[in-house]
Formats: sequence, structure tokens, C-alpha cells
Amino acid sequence: DTAVSQTPKYLVTQMGNDKSIKCEQNLGHDTMYWYKQDSKKFLKIMFSYNNKELIINETVPNRFSPKSPDKAHLNLHINSLELGDSAVYFCASSGSSGAYEQYFGPGTRLTVT
Amino acid sequence: GENVEQHPSTLSVQEGDSAVIKCTYSDSASNYFPWYKQELGKRPQLIIDIRSNVGEKKDQRIAVTLNKTAKHFSLHITETQPEDSAVYFCAASIRGSQGNLIFGKGTKLSVKP
Repeated sequence: DTAVSQTPKYLVTQMGNDKSIKCEQNLGHDTMYWYKQDSKKFLKIMFSYNNKELIINETVPNRFSPKSPDKAHLNLHINSLELGDSAVYFCASSGSSGAYEQYFGPGTRLTVT
Repeated sequence: GENVEQHPSTLSVQEGDSAVIKCTYSDSASNYFPWYKQELGKRPQLIIDIRSNVGEKKDQRIAVTLNKTAKHFSLHITETQPEDSAVYFCAASIRGSQGNLIFGKGTKLSVKP
């Protein structure tokens, strides 16, 4: 009965490959997010998305793209993976505008070799 | 740009003592301030939050205070226990966003038995 789920939990791949991470929430939330947590544990927002608007952190390379097939899913696609992309990626969701409590998924540890 | 400073980066206390973590924010329009606890290898989990119309909020051993004038907010944990050991993140909402948060760099709290 997990509220926010992500797959896969671990992802090991080589430089230059393209990969995707999936995220699903069953909370009925209308806003979803992707965060990157680097080796120093810093949490940085990459994207926020609801059915009206995508907000992109300007520091995120355009190799990263979110795709939302429906309100309950926000997948993260990464093209041409680089060593520096190695990190833990967290998906999160929150309710309607004004209710900012964010619920995080379990994270996906991406290792690029 | 918007920024959240968090101090200290590490904090070691004896079981039963109190722990205080402090954050400052730069965006005067920020109106929501959550605190997250992240245990090793786990997802960040919301432990307490405060909105800008409130100066203090308490939940059992945890309390948060907010000084809007000074743009400071703090987490207080009393009667610390070994299971309080984790990384704690403060965050502040970003102006004009749909619930986007900017996080502090985290405080690693160690509670020694």
C-alpha cells in the first residue's frame, strides 16, 4: 500500500546510455516532483509538474526530461548518461496548491560507470 | 536566487539532551517551512512543518519556531533518543511556485547512548 513508489530501486549503467526511472503515487495528489540527492546528501529539486505546468530548475541539463502519462505518474528520462549523473533520485508528490506537504518515494540509486 | 542556510552540519549529543538545528532563508515570500528526517538509506520523511502565520508549533518532543522578521526558523528536539540519529533537512517554499521547496544542506544528528 505504498503511497509513492519508484522503480527500479537500483540502476547501474554505462556512460552514454539512455535510461528511465518510473514513479507512481496513489495519494490522489496533483503535483509531482523529481529531486537529485548527491553524494554529499544535498537535496535539489529538478522538476515539479502538475497537469497545468512544468517547472524546471534551470541548472538541470536538457538530457533530463520528465514525462507524465497521467496524474498518478511522473517518469524521469535521462539521455546520454554521464558519470556526474550518479546519485539517488527521489520522486515526491503533494496535494492541491496551498497544501505543500510532500511525500517522497523510496529513491532510485543510479550508478553510471 | 533563493537560498536556505542550515547549521550546524553535524551535531552530536548525549541521550536525553536537547538538540537545536537552525535555518535561515532569503525569500521573503516563503510561507511554508517543513522539516524532514532522513535515516540512512531511507527516504526523507516529514516530521513537522510550520506556516508563516504561526510562530511556534510543537509535537511531543519536537518543536519548530519561526521568526519571519529575521527569516529564521529552528527545530528543537528534547529528550533525544538514539533513534533520533539521522540527517535532518529544513526547507522553505519558493515564491510563486506550486509548492516547490528549497532545502538546506542537512544536519547529521548523532545521539550517543
